Amino acid sequence: DIQMTQSPSSLSASVGDRVTITCRASQSINNYLNWYHQKPGKAPKLLIYGASSVQSGVPSRFSGSGSGTDFTLTISSLQPEDFATYYCQQTYSIPITFGQGTRLDIK
Amino acid sequence: QVQLQQSGPGLVKPSQTLSLTCAISGDSVSSDSAAWNWIRQSPSRGLEWLGRTYYRSKWYNEYAVSVKSRMTINPDTSKNQFSLQLNSVTPEDTAVYYCASSRGAFDIWGQGTVVTVSS
Repeated sequence: DIQMTQSPSSLSASVGDRVTITCRASQSINNYLNWYHQKPGKAPKLLIYGASSVQSGVPSRFSGSGSGTDFTLTISSLQPEDFATYYCQQTYSIPITFGQGTRLDIK
Repeated sequence: QVQLQQSGPGLVKPSQTLSLTCAISGDSVSSDSAAWNWIRQSPSRGLEWLGRTYYRSKWYNEYAVSVKSRMTINPDTSKNQFSLQLNSVTPEDTAVYYCASSRGAFDIWGQGTVVTVSS
């Protein structure tokens, strides 16, 4: 199985801050990397697919980069609705696996 | 607009079978470009992909090794839905269960079902 490791596990930031979350795969996954965020009591929501493509309807402050084993999600200017838990996911091979999550909360 | 609506019991006794259904609107379970997934989430395991079904001239099912011996995913073309059956459940199967569609990434999710395994 491909292991997905996110860092940091938690992060405190303020509205307007620029935030970066990283995700590392245990082997190369090309660009088969997706990002989600999840709010309490809700299903995860797709933000970025294919490492760098922004899902329709997702604000442009979200961006993704990387290929191979190392990936980043950047939020250029945090908004109040962005405080949530963020997950990366690889869909390169079965079983599909997720990172352990990065909790982003208000400083 | 694609929507997934989950249904099924929230409480299952140990050793019994967990059964959940995911009804699809705005898409087809027989789509030749989508896959239909089950995922669960618990504090101990995080987000865990369980398996999927998809149609590419014939039906395919794929399962996570951790549940493969106990799990079945069935598409139902007459009702445009798919289902999960997990046999011989234990308290470790307690989790929030989600269905999701994927064309690569998981773009549409069901609302989630809290399932507790307890006598």
